[in-house]
Amino acid sequence: DAGVIQSPRHEVTEMGQEVTLRCKPISGHNSLFWYRQTMMRGLELLIYFNNNVPIDDSGMPEDRFSAKMPNASFSTLKIQPSEPRDSAVYFCASRDRALYEQYFGPGTRLTVT
Amino acid sequence: AQSVSQHNHHVILSEAASLELGCNYSYGGTVNLFWYVQYPGQHLQLLLKYFSGDPLVKGIKGFEAEFIKSKFSFNLRKPSVQWSDTAEYFCAVNTRGNTPLVFGKGTRLSVIA
Repeated sequence: DAGVIQSPRHEVTEMGQEVTLRCKPISGHNSLFWYRQTMMRGLELLIYFNNNVPIDDSGMPEDRFSAKMPNASFSTLKIQPSEPRDSAVYFCASRDRALYEQYFGPGTRLTVT
Repeated sequence: AQSVSQHNHHVILSEAASLELGCNYSYGGTVNLFWYVQYPGQHLQLLLKYFSGDPLVKGIKGFEAEFIKSKFSFNLRKPSVQWSDTAEYFCAVNTRGNTPLVFGKGTRLSVIA
């Protein structure tokens, strides 16, 4: 298995632009998680899905952030409009229903100037 | 709500020194416990996990961790560190079921020659 796939790996954009991050979970995994990692706040859970349904989005910072999972093999995290404080590494992770550990993707390093 | 505390922000050790990284969690019920490692520029990888049974668990690369229920702790240990162990280490916890992992803020380990 290729593992969790994220794209792009790096994104540099200007303040006010829309940013879309993509994630393909491991085939067969039924839970998907979006995390944000910064030096100040560490790893924060933004939102997670079970069976493509959003379960808890209380970690989403504000209305500028939205996430979708249209099917079991694809999810997006969108920021519109982006701000410099959104600069961080965004990780996607997936999990099989029979297991408890989460498998992480390589992350997307977002820089908003 | 669950929380995880990692008391050491940055640890610097010489090669061959012994390592112990502290992790405490706050949750009164049954938990699953994990240690993840993040090498520079890479994604999080599972180092070891505890679900039940023997409270001393062994992971990859010579790491082990001990679950002490009475102390709500799950400390990570390695008898002799190597330069290649330089990384950030995250303790994480979740409860039974489909809940996401809650991560500590991480401990950066620097191993010097």
